[in-house]
Amino acid sequence: EPEVTQTPSHQVTQMGQEVILRCVPISNHLYFYWYRQILGQKVEFLVSFYNNEISEKSEIFDDQFSVERPDGSNFTLKIRSTKLEDSAMYFCASSEWGGYGYTFGSGTRLTVV
Amino acid sequence: AQSVTQLGSHVSVSEGALVLLRCNYSSSVPPYLFWYVQYPNQGLQLLLKYTSAATLVKGINGFEAEFKKSETSFHLTKPSAHMSDAAEYFCAVSHSNTGNQFYFGTGTSLTVIP
Repeated sequence: EPEVTQTPSHQVTQMGQEVILRCVPISNHLYFYWYRQILGQKVEFLVSFYNNEISEKSEIFDDQFSVERPDGSNFTLKIRSTKLEDSAMYFCASSEWGGYGYTFGSGTRLTVV
Repeated sequence: AQSVTQLGSHVSVSEGALVLLRCNYSSSVPPYLFWYVQYPNQGLQLLLKYTSAATLVKGINGFEAEFKKSETSFHLTKPSAHMSDAAEYFCAVSHSNTGNQFYFGTGTSLTVIP
């Protein structure tokens, strides 16, 4: 079964450093998403991306965050200057259309020290 | 606006007993509804989904959920709990009118007592 692949599975970074989280969505999917789950809390929407542009973003997704699909296969989330409160599990997802065929990756655990 | 409410942040059942995890949704349009399971330190695994077909949805690992529009509910059940069912369960709602983003509930932690 097709999978959404996220790398790395765990990343530790120092506060203030830039970090890039990588995702390879399912190949025929057109919609891409990032979600965040702070430890012990619910999963929260960050951003959706379609047709090479952001289609929707939450208030969490401020100027410190950016997304990119640099080469037609990868989908990346960049955090420009990490803060302690950015420590969380970050999930990438992709879908064919609508809410159909929505698949989550296994997540990247980001720890900011 | 779309949202889900999961009643009971922690549920404990005995092995072999019925599992019932509650989810109520709020949606101004017909929703898509989902249940995900998350094992410790792992990602989100889809258990089942409702996308306006049959109201009783069967998922993996013996779980099922029934969409009840009159009650705006989508409760998750399993007739007989197994130790391996111990995990965090999330209900989520989505619709194309909301840009297809998922709105997750706060989760229910299921403990299975031997």
